[in-house]
Amino acid sequence: QQKVQQSPESLIVPEGGMASLNCTSSDRNVDYFWWYRQHSGKSPKMLMSIFSNGEKEEGRFTVHLNKASLHTSLHIRDSQPSDSALYLCAAASSGSWQLIFGSGTQLTVMP
Amino acid sequence: EAAVTQSPRNKVAVTGGKVTLSCNQTNNHNNMYWYRQDTGHGLRLIHYSYGAGSTEKGDIPDGYKASRPSQENFSLILELATPSQTSVYFCASGDAGANSDYTFGSGTRLLVI
Repeated sequence: QQKVQQSPESLIVPEGGMASLNCTSSDRNVDYFWWYRQHSGKSPKMLMSIFSNGEKEEGRFTVHLNKASLHTSLHIRDSQPSDSALYLCAAASSGSWQLIFGSGTQLTVMP
Repeated sequence: EAAVTQSPRNKVAVTGGKVTLSCNQTNNHNNMYWYRQDTGHGLRLIHYSYGAGSTEKGDIPDGYKASRPSQENFSLILELATPSQTSVYFCASGDAGANSDYTFGSGTRLLVI
């Protein structure tokens, strides 16, 4: 079983809609989470990081974290076709700094 | 701007041959990572390093070695390449910390025939 599980595997939303992506770690030592976006043929680029319980917002992107359940979610409002990409969740513990990624969610925003 | 540079960008190798993938970072980051990316598997951690002279095994180290001779350079070595190692390989660097932006190189596309 992967240490970082993401769901759904793929997601299609209409332009202007809300996309919601999920990520859970099975490693109880994890302290920190990141969300990365990877456009086709490109390298991953960091979107947001979160390590405290609660919510963090940057523009159209909002990240939630529940440390008790080691669950984080990414919400993209007013989705644009340019948001179509592979979204990767990463997690690490302050003990080892092994940066472990999930399999990703492939988001498609339909014009 | 901080950068992570990988070489080569593309590589064709023969089965049983030796392959070295190179990564150079100008971020002065302590931590460096090697991943492979295959369809349906996201990024899988092969080896990582905390600094010059250190290498640690990640989740899928079998068939790979790593070398960190300096703060800036981190290599991934396939002593006996196999077709199953055909993949896209990414190097990343970052410092420990919640606000760290782990920066990725552009990737190396390896085909083992």
